Amino acid sequence: GAGVSQTPSNKVTEKGKYVELRCDPISGHTALYWYRQSLGQGPEFLIYFQGTGAADDSGLPNDRFFAVRPEGSVSTLKIQRTERGDSAVYLCASSPVTSGANVLTFGAGSRLTVL
Amino acid sequence: DAKTTQPNSMESNEEEPVHLPCNHSTISGTDYIHWYRQLPSQGPEYVIHGLTSNVNNRMASLAIAEDRKSSTLILHRATLRDAAVYYCILKNSGGSNYKLTFGKGTLLTVNP
Repeated sequence: GAGVSQTPSNKVTEKGKYVELRCDPISGHTALYWYRQSLGQGPEFLIYFQGTGAADDSGLPNDRFFAVRPEGSVSTLKIQRTERGDSAVYLCASSPVTSGANVLTFGAGSRLTVL
Repeated sequence: DAKTTQPNSMESNEEEPVHLPCNHSTISGTDYIHWYRQLPSQGPEYVIHGLTSNVNNRMASLAIAEDRKSSTLILHRATLRDAAVYYCILKNSGGSNYKLTFGKGTLLTVNP
């Protein structure tokens, strides 16, 4: 597709459940990023992939959060034992990583609500 | 990455120019200045970036101070569609980590 696609656009779950959020980046983009955005705040970095490997996962808040990108394209963000504080918009972005002036293209986000 | 400082909010009238300031006094020589904006209920979108010289594109202009400690994003004729949060971000061109670190940005309101 022409842009970054994220599914689902909205997810409502109960506390303690497992959630998967999917990101389909722009074809050919080798770098993929996950961010989380709470109301009134800027996007907060979670994890960054170069190809299939996680190059920087310093933003993952705890071990309930995990992300994979097994074939270097689609990525899945997995959240175990969800808590109400996990409610946020989860944003995915991709980039071609051609230089240090690297431009990111973002998806519309997946809004997660934990009841 | 070095820190930026932006006003929390600004207001403009439709069809008038808007100047959005950003201070980055600790910028290093290899830091690019990036601007992104986020429209309501959407992900951030790239606007413009520059290193030392002023830059123009179809969306906006970026004016960079001679000492690079500040920059200004210029929207030449604001429209209602330009109402968004604008983020000024420094990104070092060195190394291999290409993530962007966002602050709170400036909420721009455009009055009809």
